[in-house]
Amino acid sequence: RKEVEQDPGPFNVPEGATVAFNCTYSNSASQSFFWYRQDCRKEPKLLMSVYSSGNEDGRFTAQLNRASQYISLLIRDSKLSDSATYLCVVRRGNQGGKLIFGQGTELSVKP
Amino acid sequence: GAVVSQHPSWVICKSGTSVKIECRSLDFQATTMFWYRQFPKQSLMLMATSNEGSKATYEQGVEKDKFLINHASLTLSTLTVTSAHPEDSSFYICSGRPGNEQFFGPGTRLTVL
Repeated sequence: RKEVEQDPGPFNVPEGATVAFNCTYSNSASQSFFWYRQDCRKEPKLLMSVYSSGNEDGRFTAQLNRASQYISLLIRDSKLSDSATYLCVVRRGNQGGKLIFGQGTELSVKP
Repeated sequence: GAVVSQHPSWVICKSGTSVKIECRSLDFQATTMFWYRQFPKQSLMLMATSNEGSKATYEQGVEKDKFLINHASLTLSTLTVTSAHPEDSSFYICSGRPGNEQFFGPGTRLTVL
């Protein structure tokens, strides 16, 4: 079993749709949680950190449930420019705080 | 945010040759840098952690004699893929962490013929 698992993609949605991505992690010692965005053939870039209380940044809302070891990302009113791969990322609490990446979920927003 | 550069951005080489990839932190000092590899449609996998002035720490299953890492200064880490083979073709990305956030270089796409 992978340490970080995400919904299989791709997600194909029309502009304006709301889309949700789910992620689970297996290492209970994980300390920090993130969503990264990766465009085709580019490096990943931080979209947002995820906090236990839940956090929102514009159209993006992230949630964390430590008891269930579950992370989610909600995108409202999706835009064409949201098309990318979304990576769920966990930082281990030990071993130097290494980042562990999920496989990523591809999102394609259509006109 | 912090800036990490990589060079080259892409390279094509013949099987058996060695390829060096440079990773520079442009606006911060990095005592530690991380090297990742990503195959198509797959996750970023951490290969090794390079430490300035000391030996790199390799992840399980990564051959340290094949992937040579040198971190000679606070702004430069290099990864050399020795005797490259077609199965080494991949997207190699380095990363530095000046604070809590980790920043990635633009990646180097290696194709071994």
